[in-house]
Amino acid sequence: DAGVIQSPRHEVTEMGQEVTLRCKPISGHNSLFWYRQTMMRGLELLIYFNNNVPIDDSGMPEDRFSAKMPNASFSTLKIQPSEPRDSAVYFCASRNREYEQYFGPGTRLTVT
Amino acid sequence: QKEVEQNSGPLSVPEGAIASLNCTYSDRGSQSFFWYRQYSGKSPELIMFIYSNGDKEDGRFTAQLNKASQYVSLLIRDSQPSDSATYLCAVNAGYALNFGKGTSLLVTP
Repeated sequence: DAGVIQSPRHEVTEMGQEVTLRCKPISGHNSLFWYRQTMMRGLELLIYFNNNVPIDDSGMPEDRFSAKMPNASFSTLKIQPSEPRDSAVYFCASRNREYEQYFGPGTRLTVT
Repeated sequence: QKEVEQNSGPLSVPEGAIASLNCTYSDRGSQSFFWYRQYSGKSPELIMFIYSNGDKEDGRFTAQLNKASQYVSLLIRDSQPSDSATYLCAVNAGYALNFGKGTSLLVTP
């Protein structure tokens, strides 16, 4: 199995630009999560999908953040407009029915 | 607020020793407990999970769970320098996992 796939691996953008992060979960997993990790705050859950449906987006910091999962094999996290404080590593994770959750390699976002 | 607490460390142990990593959690209803290892610049990697009170062994790793005390631990036997990483404890909180901030482990040769 290829594991969770994320792209891009690194993103450098200027403040105000739109950023789109992409994720392909492990085939057969029914849950998908987006996390953000910083030194100060650790791993923060942003949003959770179950069977492609957003269940809880209470972790999304602001309306500038949005996420979609149009099908079982693809999800996006969009930030528009981006700000320097959004700089972090963004992880996508998928989970099987036994609650075993696996992370992708992450996208390191730098907003200047 | 459902919390997962870990000592941030660093925990330093000599090569060949047993490393003991501890975690406490606040939600008594939690049923599933996980340990992740995260190397610097990498993503968290699932290394152990435990659901029942007691011990669960997998190679050099042993997870221990005490639900009455709301305590879960990870023991690493015969620690190697390659075990140097941050270890994250995660506890199920309904549908999602609640992560601690991790304990940094340094195994010195």
